[in-house]
Amino acid sequence: AQSVTQLGSHVSVSEGALVLLRCNYSSSVPPYLFWYVQYPNQGLQLLLKYTTGATLVKGINGFEAEFKKSETSFHLTKPSAHMSDAAEYFCAVSANTGGFKTIFGAGTRLFVKA
Amino acid sequence: DAGVTQSPTHLIKTRGQQVTLRCSPISGHKSVSWYQQVLGQGPQFIFQYYEKEERGRGNFPDRFSARQFPNYSSELNVNALLLGDSALYLCASSPSRTGGAGNTEAFFGQGTRLTVV
Repeated sequence: AQSVTQLGSHVSVSEGALVLLRCNYSSSVPPYLFWYVQYPNQGLQLLLKYTTGATLVKGINGFEAEFKKSETSFHLTKPSAHMSDAAEYFCAVSANTGGFKTIFGAGTRLFVKA
Repeated sequence: DAGVTQSPTHLIKTRGQQVTLRCSPISGHKSVSWYQQVLGQGPQFIFQYYEKEERGRGNFPDRFSARQFPNYSSELNVNALLLGDSALYLCASSPSRTGGAGNTEAFFGQGTRLTVV
């Protein structure tokens, strides 16, 4: 079975500061890992995903994440926060266990202070 | 091109009633997945359909059902509504059998906000 834990339901950073959103996963088979962003009253938008190959994944809007198998982590980072980054971020995991199902974490709300 | 469209955007129902939510996937996408997002939580997988067949089911009671039509649009039905069914219901479409859970992307609609009173 797969599961996702996002550390910190709320994260607050100053504009221009580093953004670090933490995600740990559990999977009995090689996982696919995703980060999604959700703006108020909207659906989810894919930021980036890890499937196979390079463990450092670059996504949209300057975000990137590193897959660390030994730590079962897939933390999301951005070097310099922008006001427009304020949103809810979800880490998700899926795997082929006889069928595909995406499991989402509880989410981390990112606040960006001017 | 139109994205994933869901209707209605908002809905208020009374306990015990039945509700039908609708989703039109992106043109050319054959997979539709449904998720329930309770306030303050991440989306929970309900169903995935591909080529009109159910390919996956989450841990939801039998009051929840869905179907996919020949044009790949989909309906989610919930019977005997409970207060706890109040949530944002998200539909996601994907061109692949994995429904975006593998190495292809899923595209989400803006959701239907269901309130049960």
